[in-house]
Amino acid sequence: GQNIDQPTEMTATEGAIVQINCTYQTSGFNGLFWYQQHAGEAPTFLSYNVLDGLEEKGRFSSFLSRSKGYSYLLLKELQMKDSASYLCAVQNRDDKIIFGKGTRLHILP
Amino acid sequence: DSGVTQTPKHLITATGQRVTLRCSPRSGDLSVYWYQQSLDQGLQFLIQYYNGEERAKGNILERFSAQQFPDLHSELNLSSLELGDSALYFCASSPRGGTGLSGANVLTFGAGSRLTVL
Repeated sequence: GQNIDQPTEMTATEGAIVQINCTYQTSGFNGLFWYQQHAGEAPTFLSYNVLDGLEEKGRFSSFLSRSKGYSYLLLKELQMKDSASYLCAVQNRDDKIIFGKGTRLHILP
Repeated sequence: DSGVTQTPKHLITATGQRVTLRCSPRSGDLSVYWYQQSLDQGLQFLIQYYNGEERAKGNILERFSAQQFPDLHSELNLSSLELGDSALYFCASSPRGGTGLSGANVLTFGAGSRLTVL
């Protein structure tokens, strides 16, 4: 089976840095995604990792360790508009994509 | 506008009824995925179609069925509705599906259909 775990909620301050962790167990791993979802809206793609290491994209970075079944999303210079849910998702070799329950991030001024 | 169109946006119905949700994928995409999102469960994978054929099944109830038509649009049918079926139903599309390619299979989501069962 597949299992994806991430914290339910996190709170951070505007301008700060926050790290959202994700651990997963799956067979046929073929990559890990992070999606952002604002309340009541559709998820939108943020990042994809398939090899170990850090991928940086502007204020957002994503890290993967395949041997540990672990990923994190790092958000720097937090802005109020970053208040959203962040979804970790695993892609397997038949292109099935399974999502975790998401982490609701609250940004305080 | 993501290019993925879902109708209806909102639907209110009664227990025991049947509804059909419709999805048109982004131009050029061959795969359609259906997800159910309720408050405590996150995005639950229901089913995936690729070029008209079912490719993968998730936690889809027997009361639910789906298909993808030759023009690649898809419909999700929900029958004998229960209160617990109230949720946001998302459709997503992608260019590929289970073809064994490496690389990211990025999903583009529609705006969702919010179903309320009373």
